[in-house]
Amino acid sequence: KNQVEQSPQSLIILEGKNCTLQCNYTVSPFSNLRWYKQDTGRGPVSLTIMTFSENTKSNGRYTATLDADTKQSSLHITASQLSDSASYICVVRSGGGNKLTFGTGTQLKVEL
Amino acid sequence: NAGVTQTPKFQVLKTGQSMTLQCAQDMNHEYMSWYRQDPGMGLRLIHYSVGAGITDQGEVPNGYNVSRSTTEDFPLRLLSAAPSQTSVYFCASSYPATGELFFGEGSRLTVL
Repeated sequence: KNQVEQSPQSLIILEGKNCTLQCNYTVSPFSNLRWYKQDTGRGPVSLTIMTFSENTKSNGRYTATLDADTKQSSLHITASQLSDSASYICVVRSGGGNKLTFGTGTQLKVEL
Repeated sequence: NAGVTQTPKFQVLKTGQSMTLQCAQDMNHEYMSWYRQDPGMGLRLIHYSVGAGITDQGEVPNGYNVSRSTTEDFPLRLLSAAPSQTSVYFCASSYPATGELFFGEGSRLTVL
């Protein structure tokens, strides 16, 4: 069964600090992996997409990594801001079809 | 550019009542879908459509009905609401079908 597990479930950090969110998946065959940011009361918004051949990709202060061998991805947030407070969802697409498997998300809170 | 628009944003129903959640997108996306989001669970696919006149069931279709008469609109109908359908519902669209999902703002439904 395809699964996506995210850790930690929740995280509180001080503004200006860095943090790393983890995503482990067992989806097969693998097509791509996206990280979405979901602000409270809003719909998810895509931050970045990782394909099989990509190891690292940055989007401003967000840097995603992918290790296809160990089936792990991480999202690193640099110099956090209050506006980074949100749920971050890892979504893996399986190849050969259009099936998506969603993680349950990491709830990040950035405090002063 | 409005993107994906969902209405209503909030709704309270009594058990057994029926209602329709509206979803419209102005991006000319062929693929549209409905998800439900429950605490502690990842987004789950209810129904999806790959184009006007074509719909298919997702992971949790029971108790829901959809139709796709135009490219722009993809309403979700609850036939006889049950407390288990209390959830936040998201409509999403993409182009191509395997591309980035664009989500609406969500519709919070409570069934008493």
